[in-house]
Amino acid sequence: EIVLTQSPGTLSLSPGERATLSCRASQTVISSYLAWFQQKPGQSPRLLIYYASIRATGIPDRFSGSGSGTDFSLTINRLEPEDFAVYYCHQYGTSPWTFGQGTKLEIK
Amino acid sequence: QVQLVQSGAEVKKPGASVKVSCKASGNNHWVMHWVRQAPGQRLEWMGWINAVNGNTKYSQKFQGRVTITKNTSANTAYMELSSLRSEDTALYYCAREGPIAVPFDYWGQGSLVIVSS
Repeated sequence: EIVLTQSPGTLSLSPGERATLSCRASQTVISSYLAWFQQKPGQSPRLLIYYASIRATGIPDRFSGSGSGTDFSLTINRLEPEDFAVYYCHQYGTSPWTFGQGTKLEIK
Repeated sequence: QVQLVQSGAEVKKPGASVKVSCKASGNNHWVMHWVRQAPGQRLEWMGWINAVNGNTKYSQKFQGRVTITKNTSANTAYMELSSLRSEDTALYYCAREGPIAVPFDYWGQGSLVIVSS
């Protein structure tokens, strides 16, 4: 199965700053079928990005995704207070579908 | 607006089975996945079912222990996990597969399953 490794494990930043989260796959992610989810405490995950770089419906344009092959990233510009959460990358090109271990974005 | 409403929390003894439901609003043409989140662990995909043709696919990790079914008239998907062990204690989510190349665009609220003697 494809193992996704996210870095850093925790990212401490202030509102207004830019966050860059990384996701590395153990094998090529087919067709760039790589997504990013945001999860806040007590809530279900929320789809942010799919197909590596396409924002899901209703997602602000300060969220952007990039990458291909085995290296992907999520960038959040001008952090808002509501952006502090845990972020997961997810590959859905090869069964079994797998998730990264998460990056916690916390307020500095 | 699509909504996925799951059944409530369950406490089971080791060796027992649990069946979790996920009722969908809106149309009845969906592919529903099940994903679980154990304490301190990453999200883990378990399998899916196609509401139109009933086809299923399971993660090999759960093959033989998980069964995903549907009730078309109730627009509901079910996930049954058998031979429960303490490591199966987790929050179980249903999540709808979106259009082509869009994974999990809608999620249920999660159903907590606790396995304890």
